[in-house]
Amino acid sequence: AQTVTQSQPEMSVQEAETVTLSCTYDTSENNYYLFWYKQPPSRQMILVIRQEAYKQQNATENRFSVNFQKAAKSFSLKISDSQLGDTAMYFCAFIPRGGATNKLIFGTGTLLAVQP
Amino acid sequence: DTGVSQNPRHKITKRGQNVTFRCDPISEHNRLYWYRQTLGQGPEFLTYFQNEAQLEKSRLLSDRFSAERPKGSFSTLEIQRTEQGDSAMYLCASSLAQGGSSYEQYFGPGTRLTVT
Repeated sequence: AQTVTQSQPEMSVQEAETVTLSCTYDTSENNYYLFWYKQPPSRQMILVIRQEAYKQQNATENRFSVNFQKAAKSFSLKISDSQLGDTAMYFCAFIPRGGATNKLIFGTGTLLAVQP
Repeated sequence: DTGVSQNPRHKITKRGQNVTFRCDPISEHNRLYWYRQTLGQGPEFLTYFQNEAQLEKSRLLSDRFSAERPKGSFSTLEIQRTEQGDSAMYLCASSLAQGGSSYEQYFGPGTRLTVT
């Protein structure tokens, strides 16, 4: 079975500082995509960043970057220069590429609070 | 295009009643997905369509649940004889069917169902 684990239910960071959210996953697939989604309070889920498993280079989107360790099945999200608007629930998600399924498998989320 | 839209945003119903939710995907997206999210959890896959064909269903989708996408555009999710355990946020997402971006799913704001 494919699973995604986020071991940090809650995290807090001061504004302008850097925070790293952890995610591990389990799969027998060799080719897949990994995503981080952001869900602000009472607002819809937004795609933050994606990583393709066959690419060794870590993805970066402005202040958001990932540390993808395929052998360790680890996919952490680093948020630099944290802003108040980054306060949200963050979900790590996995989808196999070219497989029989197109469903996203989500972790349980990490609630990030950015403090002023 | 303003993104994925869902109606209603909130629905309160009494146990045993039927409810129907609607999702309008991003206009050029062929694929449409339904997920369910309970408090403190990540979204769980229910079903997905490619155009009007329902290609995958989760075992979470009991006989009381039915989804349709009759013309390959909007979709409806109906829950018959609602139970208190059906209380959740129902999320719709859409994506392209071809290319690398087909793995990126864009979510709507969700319909929050409360069964009393």
